[in-house]
Parts: sequence; structure tokens; C-alpha cells
Amino acid sequence: EAQVTQNPRYLITVTGKKLTVTCSQNMNHEYMSWYRQDPGLGLRQIYYSMNVEVTDKGDVPEGYKVSRKEKRNFPLILESPSPNQTSLYFCASSLRFYNSPLHFGNGTRLTVT
Amino acid sequence: AQKVTQAQTEISVVEKEDVTLDCVYETRDTTYYLFWYKQPPSGELVFLIRRNSFDEQNEISGRYSWNFQKSTSSFNFTITASQVVDSAVYFCALSEPTVDRGSTLGRLYFGRGTQLTVWP
Repeated sequence: EAQVTQNPRYLITVTGKKLTVTCSQNMNHEYMSWYRQDPGLGLRQIYYSMNVEVTDKGDVPEGYKVSRKEKRNFPLILESPSPNQTSLYFCASSLRFYNSPLHFGNGTRLTVT
Repeated sequence: AQKVTQAQTEISVVEKEDVTLDCVYETRDTTYYLFWYKQPPSGELVFLIRRNSFDEQNEISGRYSWNFQKSTSSFNFTITASQVVDSAVYFCALSEPTVDRGSTLGRLYFGRGTQLTVWP
């Protein structure tokens, strides 16, 4: 089944403790991206990747890192999480960024205390 | 300035009413793509429709229809005879395949979403 898999679904952590949210797609998509969803702010793009080893910043990249060493994986890294990073995170992929619909993962609810 | 504006934060209707969700976008490109996504209460994000800037034909899919008007930079979404299952947050999005000043290839722009509640 074609899908984008995010893990974990829920994560509670403390300020400053490094964490990684994994994202994997099995559709051989070139484009992958991360979004955070906050009430009243909609979906904001954090980082995106046009292909392997090609990543760039979105709207709100501060405090996040990404890597794209393989086509299928696009992990989101929070080196030193802070409470303002408490949010719902979505990973997404598409065949080509500009004209292909996004396939979203099921989301990761992160709470930083 | 937002590239995609969904001015309606929340809309409530009663079942069987028609409802239109507005989406206004901003771009300098002549080639671009517009999308609508649905996020039901269960939380997943589901693709509904894609439209490219050269195709101004309106589209109908069952009770859903989309009105694309380049003259007003709008891509509105209408649900006819709404049902409780239509209750969701709906997002409009824009992609631009060329680099614009202040923009970067690969960016996708989402509106803030419209929460639609359909009451029985």
C-alpha cells in the first residue's frame, strides 16, 4: 500500500532533549516536506527536499534540522526542543513538488514541557 | 502578506444547505497550481483537487464543485447539499514551479484553513 509513515504518533518530551521524528515513503517520490499545524495558523512549511541531498528552508525552519540521505526517508530533528515547538507535525511527499498532490503521513503530536 | 488567504475561519451550516469556501491567492507566475485538501476530525489530510493556471474550467465531482477565476485570483470550493460527514477543516494551497523574487523553488503555500461544521 502506498503510504507515508511517520513515527511516533505521540511524543512527550522535556526542554532540551534531542528528538527525531521519522518519515518514510514507499512511492519513490522526489519531493518531501515537513509541516507544523497550530490552531489559527494552518499548515506552515518547516523544511522541504526536492530530492536526495537537496533540502531547503520553508516558513518556520528555526529550531529544526532535516536530512535526505535516501530518497524514501526524511527525518525531522529537534536538537534542543522548546515549549514553542509543541505542535502537530505532518510529513508529506509528492512525485513532483509543483503539480502533484501531497500524500501526508498521519501526523505526530509533540508536546515539549 | 499571505500568498493564500482563506478569510473564513469557521463556517457553520445545517445539513442540506449549500456552502462555499473561499480561497484567494497571490502570485506573479503565469504557471501555477492550486489544491484543496480536507482534514476531517480524525486528523488525516486528504487531497481533494488540483487545478493548473491554464485550465479555467469549473470542475464538479458529485456534491463538490470548484470555481477557478484568474481575474479575481480565486479558487472557491462549493459543497452542495452538505452532510455531517463534510465537517472538516479545508485547506487551499498554491505551488509555483518557477522562482520568483523572494521565493524559492519548491515552496508550497497553504491558507490557514476553514473549519466547516455541518449540523444535523
